[in-house]
Amino acid sequence: DAGVIQSPRHEVTEMGQEVTLRCKPISGHNSLFWYRQTMMRGLELLIYFNNNVPIDDSGMPEDRFSAKMPNASFSTLKIQPSEPRDSAVYFCASSVGTGKETQYFGPGTRLLVL
Amino acid sequence: LAKTTQPISMDSYEGQEVNITCSHNNIATNDYITWYQQFPSQGPRFIIQGYKTKVTNEVASLFIPADRKSSTLSLPRVSLSDTAVYYCLVGGFSGGYNKLIFGAGTRLAVHP
Repeated sequence: DAGVIQSPRHEVTEMGQEVTLRCKPISGHNSLFWYRQTMMRGLELLIYFNNNVPIDDSGMPEDRFSAKMPNASFSTLKIQPSEPRDSAVYFCASSVGTGKETQYFGPGTRLLVL
Repeated sequence: LAKTTQPISMDSYEGQEVNITCSHNNIATNDYITWYQQFPSQGPRFIIQGYKTKVTNEVASLFIPADRKSSTLSLPRVSLSDTAVYYCLVGGFSGGYNKLIFGAGTRLAVHP
């Protein structure tokens, strides 16, 4: 079975540009999570969805960040406008249920904002 | 949500057993203890999870004392490929939903 799929794997953009990261969770999983990882701040939970509904977006850093999950097999994380401090690796993870279940992480998108 | 504390780094040699201890003094009654492993340029990967006593799988063992204020991940006979960052998490029902808080993790370096 395919794991969590993220695209693009690498993104280089200029400050002020819009960036869209994409995620396809594992089929049958009903929870989806977006994380950001930097050397300074480690791995941070940005937002998570359950059954396509955003449940907790308290980790979203600013209004420049937005996330959607239009259906069970697709989610996007958008940054508009992007800034150099947004440079990080963004991971998407999915799991079954809402409790203690294992989260399966994608390979990540490495974003560099110049 | 309970905070976890674990060593920043550890060194070991191939073939040795490695024990990484994590403290979580404020663990709640319904919290589970979960360990993830992360290799460079990859997303974290689930290793093991437990609630109390001992849990063992094909990769590791997890020891949890009766008070559950700490836990120890045990990796038997490590190899160079076990060099990674290991995260201890105590999750975490927030509003009825799981919320994983990753700490800084423990950087394990396995030497030949």
